[in-house]
Amino acid sequence: DSGVTQTPKHLITATGQRVTLRCSPRSGDLSVYWYQQSLDQGLQFLIQYYNGEERAKGNILERFSAQQFPDLHSELNLSSLELGDSALYFCASGGHTLVDTIYFGEGSWLTVV
Amino acid sequence: EDKVVQSPLSLVVHEGDTVTLNCSYEVTNFRSLLWYKQEKKAPTFLFMLTSSGIEKKSGRLSSILDKKELFSILNITATQTGDSAVYLCAARSNYKLTFGKGTLLTVNP
Repeated sequence: DSGVTQTPKHLITATGQRVTLRCSPRSGDLSVYWYQQSLDQGLQFLIQYYNGEERAKGNILERFSAQQFPDLHSELNLSSLELGDSALYFCASGGHTLVDTIYFGEGSWLTVV
Repeated sequence: EDKVVQSPLSLVVHEGDTVTLNCSYEVTNFRSLLWYKQEKKAPTFLFMLTSSGIEKKSGRLSSILDKKELFSILNITATQTGDSAVYLCAARSNYKLTFGKGTLLTVNP
């Protein structure tokens, strides 16, 4: 158990809908990272937050947004869902130095039908 | 653009064999190199390397980083069927981890 908690574990929804994925980082970790993993793309970086502030953006679609709350949990919002958004979404957390290990949650499986 | 390349993409060996997985990287503001093992779901952390030439070991697994040549290797000795997984290499910059596509290792009995 990495200590990073993600909910829900599985989610099936229809095209055009909106979903929210939630992540609680490891105790004491200030950084949260979101990644998307699909079969043909590998792990793609979406966005990173540090202590509530957005620090870096990767290939995140405009239909996707995220935030980190004062209690450090984070949410990834996916809207106007398309079939191609079906993937495993991972949250990872790390400490406040650049040499802290980054640990991954179990992921949220999103299936868009 | 940051880039991490792993080779080989897949590998099939017999139990007891030794394998070497390769990872090369081109990352702006490089901080560290991390190896993960991914079986069914979450990548699980194996090693983090920050200094060149210092080998990290954990049981039958070991890894080393060459910051001059921008690569790392992961060695697994006396492989077991439980080592079958995707091994991911990631280069860390200031704000993100950039992953390679992984090496799928299959260990046959």
